[in-house]
Amino acid sequence: GENVEQHPSTLSVQEGDSAVIKCTYSDSASNYFPWYKQELGKGPQLIIDIRSNVGEKKDQRIAVTLNKTAKHFSLHITETQPEDSAVYFCAASISGGSYIPTFGRGTSLIVHP
Amino acid sequence: NAGVTQTPKFQVLKTGQSMTLQCAQDMNHNSMYWYRQDPGMGLRLIYYSASEGTTDKGEVPNGYNVSRLNKREFSLRLESAAPSQTSVYFCASITTGSSNYGYTFGSGTRLTVV
Repeated sequence: GENVEQHPSTLSVQEGDSAVIKCTYSDSASNYFPWYKQELGKGPQLIIDIRSNVGEKKDQRIAVTLNKTAKHFSLHITETQPEDSAVYFCAASISGGSYIPTFGRGTSLIVHP
Repeated sequence: NAGVTQTPKFQVLKTGQSMTLQCAQDMNHNSMYWYRQDPGMGLRLIYYSASEGTTDKGEVPNGYNVSRLNKREFSLRLESAAPSQTSVYFCASITTGSSNYGYTFGSGTRLTVV
């Protein structure tokens, strides 16, 4: 089955700095890679996703890149703000069928004012 | 549009007690899922229902049962709670077959078994 490794487990940055979270996956058939943000006491929320036919996707201060050959994808947050502090999860899946994504173990991002 | 609603939000049980966690979605989604979240373990799938009338085991199904009551509702039952089931439980839903495969999660049920 699919295996997703996520690093780092904790990331501490100063406000205004950039943050990068990296994930690797094992199943070359995976073709859909979502990222979720979980604020304290809440459920995870989808913030951005990328499909295997795209190398990069941006949404304001957030971007995701995908390297299919190396089987890794990354979340980039620029100009970080205190409200970006949360736990971020990556996932890998094959779209369609029963759709069971495999999640990484999460990265706790702390943005210091 | 409420999305995915979970009840209760908090619960304390004694070992051996039973309870049912409720989940309902109003987005006409086909598939529904139950996850548990423990520190350092990420999200682990307990059971899922790909469509109304079907249920399947996930990664950690032991000690749990589920019912897909209708397209909107998917409940998780603990027949005899154990301290190892202390966790935060999340329900999620999705519509497969569309171009969007991102989950919508509920806000969670925080369960403590003493």
